[in-house]
Amino acid sequence: AQSVTQPDARVTVSEGASLQLRCKYSYFGTPYLFWYVQYPRQGLQLLLKYYPGDPVVQGVNGFEAEFSKSNSSFHLRKASVHWSDWAVYFCAVSIGDNNRIFFGDGTQLVVKP
Amino acid sequence: GGIITQTPKFLIGQEGQKLTLKCQQNFNHDTMYWYRQDSGKGLRLIYYSITENDLQKGDLSEGYDASREKKSSFSLTVTSAQKNEMAVFLCASKAGGDSDYTFGSGTRLLVI
Repeated sequence: AQSVTQPDARVTVSEGASLQLRCKYSYFGTPYLFWYVQYPRQGLQLLLKYYPGDPVVQGVNGFEAEFSKSNSSFHLRKASVHWSDWAVYFCAVSIGDNNRIFFGDGTQLVVKP
Repeated sequence: GGIITQTPKFLIGQEGQKLTLKCQQNFNHDTMYWYRQDSGKGLRLIYYSITENDLQKGDLSEGYDASREKKSSFSLTVTSAQKNEMAVFLCASKAGGDSDYTFGSGTRLLVI
């Protein structure tokens, strides 16, 4: 069955430092993959998405992610973190006709001044 | 641009009470979803609907009913609220194919 694992419940980085949030998925086939961000008391906003094609996808606000079929991973990266990036980040996978999406448990990003 | 509106934003209920949450979207999206989000957890799918009057169970449908009487609205009913239950319920919608999901800002439920 399909699943998404975000191994880090919480990641702390200093403002200006680089960031990587990890995501592993489990699915036999080619998935659609997503990263969403959730700010306090808000719904989820799409950061970026991967549909089969170029493995490196660019998103909003300087985020990018790289799909690796061999590692079953879709890690999120940012070169320089800003305090406004403090939020919860969810990795998700969609299969088949893209009518269902499965979420990881999320990673809380904390930004130190 | 469109919007998804969830009402109420906050809901306090009593144990055993039947509670209804509402979601409206003006994107003219075909598919709508209800997710439950518990603290420190991801979103779990309760129900979804691919068109008016359609209902599909998700992974967490027990204890809930849903209704899609119009394309623009999707309601969720907690059939018997559980004491000390605390969660956020998120509604989402999307058009067909490779279109993006759009999420509402949530209804926060507390059962006392």
